[in-house]
Amino acid sequence: EAGVTQFPSHSVIEKGQTVTLRCDPISGHDNLYWYRRVMGKEIKFLLHFVKESKQDESGMPNNRFLAERTGGTYSTLKVQPAELEDSGVYFCASSLREGNEAFFGQGTRLTVV
Amino acid sequence: GENVEQHPSTLSVQEGDSAVIKCTYSDSASNYFPWYKQELGKRPQLIIDIRSNVGEKKDQRIAVTLNKTAKHFSLHITETQPEDSAVYFCAASGDSGYALNFGKGTSLLVTP
Repeated sequence: EAGVTQFPSHSVIEKGQTVTLRCDPISGHDNLYWYRRVMGKEIKFLLHFVKESKQDESGMPNNRFLAERTGGTYSTLKVQPAELEDSGVYFCASSLREGNEAFFGQGTRLTVV
Repeated sequence: GENVEQHPSTLSVQEGDSAVIKCTYSDSASNYFPWYKQELGKRPQLIIDIRSNVGEKKDQRIAVTLNKTAKHFSLHITETQPEDSAVYFCAASGDSGYALNFGKGTSLLVTP
């Protein structure tokens, strides 16, 4: 069974540009989460989808971040325009609808210069 | 919201010694407490978890203890090996499907 897959693994963009991160969860997992880890700090929650619906987006830092999960399968996280403080590793995780165990992707390392 | 504190931030032990990482949480409604291990360049992976109706859980060299009254839980690794070197994250969450609230991580180094 394929695990959670994220694309790209690395991205370096200039301040003001747009970047779109993609996450493919484990097939059949209704829950999909986005997290971010800034250097040396905790992994912080960004938002949670249940299928295609946003269940909780309380962690989204500001309106420069837009997450979608059309069709309830893969998800994208767009940052527009990117700022320096957006640099970090963005993780996606998925879990079964009635499960707690979250499976993580390998992350996308975003560097904004 | 939930606040998870994790200590220490770095831990260095000799091979064969034990390692203990401690976490505290603030929300008494939290009832699921997983531990993740992240090796360099790899994804975080669940190594053990515990629910609030259990005080201790073991899996070979790894154990987790939970004190709900004091709102703290700990990871214990015995007979450490160099391959245990990684960053360990504790987390807390509510009912199934809820997002995880993570600690800041502990970088564990096991020296031969």
